[in-house]
Amino acid sequence: AQSVTQLGSHVSVSEGALVLLRCNYSSSVPPYLFWYVQYPNQGLQLLLKYTSAATLVKGINGFEAEFKKSETSFHLTKPSAHMSDAAEYFCAVTPAGGSRLTFGEGTQLTVNP
Amino acid sequence: DGGITQSPKYLFRKEGQNVTLSCEQNLNHDAMYWYRQDPGQGLRLIYYSQIVNDFQKGDIAEGYSVSREKKESFPLTVTSAQKNPTAFYLCASRILAGGPHNEQFFGPGTRLTVL
Repeated sequence: AQSVTQLGSHVSVSEGALVLLRCNYSSSVPPYLFWYVQYPNQGLQLLLKYTSAATLVKGINGFEAEFKKSETSFHLTKPSAHMSDAAEYFCAVTPAGGSRLTFGEGTQLTVNP
Repeated sequence: DGGITQSPKYLFRKEGQNVTLSCEQNLNHDAMYWYRQDPGQGLRLIYYSQIVNDFQKGDIAEGYSVSREKKESFPLTVTSAQKNPTAFYLCASRILAGGPHNEQFFGPGTRLTVL
């Protein structure tokens, strides 16, 4: 079964600092991977997704993620944090041929002024 | 504008009562999903449907029921058999053509509180 692990349930950065949110997946075959963002009391919004077309994926709001098969990782980064980036971030995986997503437990990002 | 609507946004229920959460989409998506979200546990799949009049159990289906009589609608009923129903419920949909890399689109959610 597919699973995804997000290291760090809470991450705190200063405004302007690098954001790094970690995601590792378990799969014998490279899956499809997604990063979503959720603001308080709202639904999830897609940031970016990996579909095997390119290992470095650029998303919205300046975020990007790199798929590393050797490390089974899909970490999310942003060079310079903004106050508006404060939210909860979810990594999700679905296998090739699958029809459902498996979500990580989420990482709450705090941005300090 | 196309999207997913969930109603109501907040719902209060007395113990022992059934309650139905609404989810409607006008995106012409084939598949629809219901998730439950609790703090620190991510999203857990309750039920999903890929075609009208058919649906599958997810990981935590006990105490819930669904129907899919129309492509655009996928209501979720939380029954009195659900032991701890207080949670944030999210509905999602996606198009199936093209494969599993198509992302799910989410509604704004319904917060259910059992009094």
